[in-house]
Amino acid sequence: AQSVTQLGSHVSVSEGALVLLRCNYSSSVPPYLFWYVQYPNQGLQLLLKYTTGATLVKGINGFEAEFKKSETSFHLTKPSAHMSDAAEYFCAVSLSGGSNYKLTFGKGTLLTVNP
Amino acid sequence: KAGVTQTPRYLIKTRGQQVTLSCSPISGHRSVSWYQQTPGQGLQFLFEYFSETQRNKGNFPGRFSGRQFSNSRSEMNVSTLELGDSALYLCASTRAFTDTQYFGPGTRLTVL
Repeated sequence: AQSVTQLGSHVSVSEGALVLLRCNYSSSVPPYLFWYVQYPNQGLQLLLKYTTGATLVKGINGFEAEFKKSETSFHLTKPSAHMSDAAEYFCAVSLSGGSNYKLTFGKGTLLTVNP
Repeated sequence: KAGVTQTPRYLIKTRGQQVTLSCSPISGHRSVSWYQQTPGQGLQFLFEYFSETQRNKGNFPGRFSGRQFSNSRSEMNVSTLELGDSALYLCASTRAFTDTQYFGPGTRLTVL
């Protein structure tokens, strides 16, 4: 079974400050890991993903995440927050390989950016 | 290329009724997954269809069902609606043999 824990249901940062959203996972097999963002009244938009290869993954809008197997973590970072980054962020895990399209999501972290 | 579309965007039903939601995947995508999003339970996987066959199923009662048509469009049905079924229902499509799910805007279901 897989699970995802997102530490902090609400994170508040100042504009221009570092954004760090934490995600830890549990998986019995090598996982695929994803970060999605959700703006109010919208669906989920993929920010970035880790499947295999380089453990530092760069995504859209200046976000990046690092897969750390020893720590079972996949934290999301952005060097400088922008007002438009305010949204809810979800970390998700799926089984690697083949045609398994079941995503298990964390509870989400609401990011607030203060001017 | 058009994204995933879901209809209707909003629905209001009363307890005991049934409802059908529709999802049109991105052109060329053959897998469609459904998720329920609620404030209490978060995002939960309902089921996934590929080439008209259900391949994966989440832990939901039999009142929740789905199907996929030959053009990859999918519908999900909820019978005997309960207040707790009020949620945002999200559909996602995936191209075969890839790993990224693309989500639609969702259908907001309110059960009164």
